[in-house]
Amino acid sequence: DAGVTQSPTHLIKTRGQQVTLRCSPKSGHDTVSWYQQALGQGPQFIFQYYEEEERQRGNFPDRFSGHQFPNYSSELNVNALLLGDSALYLCASSRGSRSTDTQYFGPGTRLTVL
Amino acid sequence: KQEVTQIPAALSVPEGENLVLNCSFTDSAIYNLQWFRQDPGKGLTSLLLIQSSQREQTSGRLNASLDKSSGRSTLYIAASQPGDSATYLCAVSNQAGTALIFGKGTTLSVSS
Repeated sequence: DAGVTQSPTHLIKTRGQQVTLRCSPKSGHDTVSWYQQALGQGPQFIFQYYEEEERQRGNFPDRFSGHQFPNYSSELNVNALLLGDSALYLCASSRGSRSTDTQYFGPGTRLTVL
Repeated sequence: KQEVTQIPAALSVPEGENLVLNCSFTDSAIYNLQWFRQDPGKGLTSLLLIQSSQREQTSGRLNASLDKSSGRSTLYIAASQPGDSATYLCAVSNQAGTALIFGKGTTLSVSS
């Protein structure tokens, strides 16, 4: 049973560019959440997708957007990249938008903005 | 606004010691609380999940407690091993049961 997978593993971009990160949830999971983890910090919630809709959003600007596909996989898009967007981006999956189960995290995508 | 604090930020112990990691949160209206482990540059591995109605959970050498009224949780690790070296993160789920709010973590180093 494959767990949560993310691609790519690493990414280097320059300021002002746009980036798309991808996530496939654990088998049987229908909800995907995205988190940003800066160096030395705990992860911060970006948004959650359930039934192909954004269900909740954290304190992130509109430059951060996402999408969920019918197969429950998800994309995170970041426009007009800033140096401060450099971080580890984590995807987590669960069953249902309000889950009593744990969220399962992927290995993350390390984004470096130069 | 919910804030999660973890103390200490770093901890070094010799192998075999029992240890306690602390987590506090400012808003007791949580859905559940989780402890995660993170190895350097890697994703998060869930260790224990405590529902808001529960007081503790145990898994092997790990025991986590929850006191919602005081806004505190502890993670007890028995007979620590070098393989336990990692960053331990505490996270509370908001009342909607959707977003996790994390502390900054405690980095544990266990020497042999």
